[in-house]
Amino acid sequence: QVQVVQSGAEVKKPGASVKVSCKGSGYTFTDYYVHWVRQAPGQGLEWMGWVNPKKGNTNYAQKFQGRVTMTRDTSITTAYMELSRLTSDDTAVYYCARDVGTVVGSGWFDPWGQGTLVTVSS
Amino acid sequence: EIVLTQSPGTLSLSPGERATLSCRVSQRLSSSYLAWYQQKPGQAPRLLMYAASTRAPGIPDRFSGSGSGTDFTLTISRLEPEDFAVYYCQQYGTSQTFGQGTKVEIK
Repeated sequence: QVQVVQSGAEVKKPGASVKVSCKGSGYTFTDYYVHWVRQAPGQGLEWMGWVNPKKGNTNYAQKFQGRVTMTRDTSITTAYMELSRLTSDDTAVYYCARDVGTVVGSGWFDPWGQGTLVTVSS
Repeated sequence: EIVLTQSPGTLSLSPGERATLSCRVSQRLSSSYLAWYQQKPGQAPRLLMYAASTRAPGIPDRFSGSGSGTDFTLTISRLEPEDFAVYYCQQYGTSQTFGQGTKVEIK
């Protein structure tokens, strides 16, 4: 079955970076963009950006420009999201999700990964 | 940036009742580029609806979506115990944005 599985929880100190992975299986990895969305404790969903697994090009939300890097490794059908210069405001669950829309990079998400909790604390 | 405003913030209903959730978009969406998701505590969001009114595979027909332009609605015809959750709308016509969510709680 189609699924995306993320790496485990992380604890980081302020100023550090975190890299979260997202492995796709059950489908052709390079045919579907991968988006990243985060959710701070008790809050709503915030879109961060996407990576095109086929070409590697990316599109980031303006809020995260200069601080986020999304990459992929097609040999292991895995996408990555790296966020640098972490602060306590970055404490959140980070989700990856497959874009199944009909317009490239602009669609609805299905399925979602299980989420990765990133805690930033000194 | 397109802003999505969901109302009400919380809906208190009993099993068997009808739930009507609203999502208002700050700019007209072309081609009804709107999706709905359900999220239960400790779980990832689950796709319910896309293109405003198309149910995702496996979603029961008690869920329906409607609307166009700037006003969209998710309706749950008869609430089942497993439907109590938070619901988010998402526009994907211009970049991506989510509403702040509507919590459907047991009255």
